[in-house]
Amino acid sequence: GDSVTQTEGLVTLTEGLPVMLNCTYQSTYSPFLFWYVQHLNEAPKLLLKSFTDNKRPEHQGFHATLHKSSSSFHLQKSSAQLSDSALYYCARGNNKLTFGQGTVLSVIP
Amino acid sequence: EAAVTQSPRSKVAVTGGKVTLSCHQTNNHDYMYWYRQDTGHGLRLIHYSYVADSTEKGDIPDGYKASRPSQENFSLILELASLSQTAVYFCASSWTGPLYEQYFGPGTRLTVL
Repeated sequence: GDSVTQTEGLVTLTEGLPVMLNCTYQSTYSPFLFWYVQHLNEAPKLLLKSFTDNKRPEHQGFHATLHKSSSSFHLQKSSAQLSDSALYYCARGNNKLTFGQGTVLSVIP
Repeated sequence: EAAVTQSPRSKVAVTGGKVTLSCHQTNNHDYMYWYRQDTGHGLRLIHYSYVADSTEKGDIPDGYKASRPSQENFSLILELASLSQTAVYFCASSWTGPLYEQYFGPGTRLTVL
């Protein structure tokens, strides 16, 4: 069935290094993909979303590219900042969303 | 900025008791959702609604009921609370359409003893 997989539960990085959080999906149709971010003791909020015209979405230095051939929508950033430490969710769907298990990103000095 | 509020913000309930979690949104959104968040499971959809007086089952509806008496309000009801329902519950709302983001409330931390 339709699902979203985030293989890393925790990613620890030193400030300034590149970030890549993995997200793969299974879907019976061309999906809409999203990344949500949740900082400690806050509500989840949208970080970025895919588009069907192959434009790469970007927000706050983060970007993600939808690769239909590999069913992936990995989140990337060229240089991690301490303030990027948070829980990141990949999600797919159309109003009714299915979320992955989430990846905690911990950026250390 | 979309506004979604939840009450209570935290609650301790006894096993077998009834619990009602409330959600209110002021943005005239069509869709409202209830999720639970557990470590290792992420966010899982319990119930959702796209119009007042109608609710739909999400992915994990067992043990939960939902009520949408108006466009602004959406409640989650645990008729017989169980230990396994200890979690953080989030309400969210959105417009209709695949590219509209969901706006989340601050969450309710429920502890069932």
